Amino acid sequence: GNSVTQMEGPVTLSEEAFLTINCTYTATGYPSLFWYVQYPGEGLQLLLKATKADDKGSNKGFEATYRKETTSFHLEKGSVQVSDSAVYFCALNTGTYKYIFGTGTRLKVLA
Amino acid sequence: ETGVTQTPRHLVMGMTNKKSLKCEQHLGHNAMYWYKQSAKKPLELMFVYNFKEQTENNSVPSRFSPECPNSSHLFLHLHTLQPEDSALYLCASSQDVGETGTDTQYFGPGTRLTVL
Repeated sequence: GNSVTQMEGPVTLSEEAFLTINCTYTATGYPSLFWYVQYPGEGLQLLLKATKADDKGSNKGFEATYRKETTSFHLEKGSVQVSDSAVYFCALNTGTYKYIFGTGTRLKVLA
Repeated sequence: ETGVTQTPRHLVMGMTNKKSLKCEQHLGHNAMYWYKQSAKKPLELMFVYNFKEQTENNSVPSRFSPECPNSSHLFLHLHTLQPEDSALYLCASSQDVGETGTDTQYFGPGTRLTVL
């Protein structure tokens, strides 16, 4: 079946450090891939998405590239800020209303 | 108001109580969803409504009863819950039911439910 695997957190970084959060997936067909972010006390909000292989999604300095050959969609940011502290969810959709979410990775950025 | 709102934000209830969670979306979307978010587990899709019609009941126990009177409002009625039902319940909406797989879901802030 379809599934998403994320690296376990928490991830703790100093401000301005480089961030990578790994995400790999298993899916039939050609899924769309998403990263959602959940700030404390809030619901999930879309951070970026990619709908086909080799697409790069980007937003607010975050990037992720859809790698079909490695079935991965790793999230990266060159210089994190304290305000980036949140839980990040990788998700996929194979063309239905059923989004498959990962377990989430908590990021804590220290000043 | 804009976006997706949920009330109440926090709810504590006993196992014999009956309560309801409310979700309202102000985005003009046609599809609405209930998810359960438990610690260290993936989001669990519970129910999906498209144009007020239920299109998914993801093997959810009958102690959870959804209601969608129109495309803007979604309720989750709760009765005789168990302590393991304690979780964050998230409502979401999207333009349609994501048949292309590219639709973005917009989430509310959630209701933190504690069952004693």
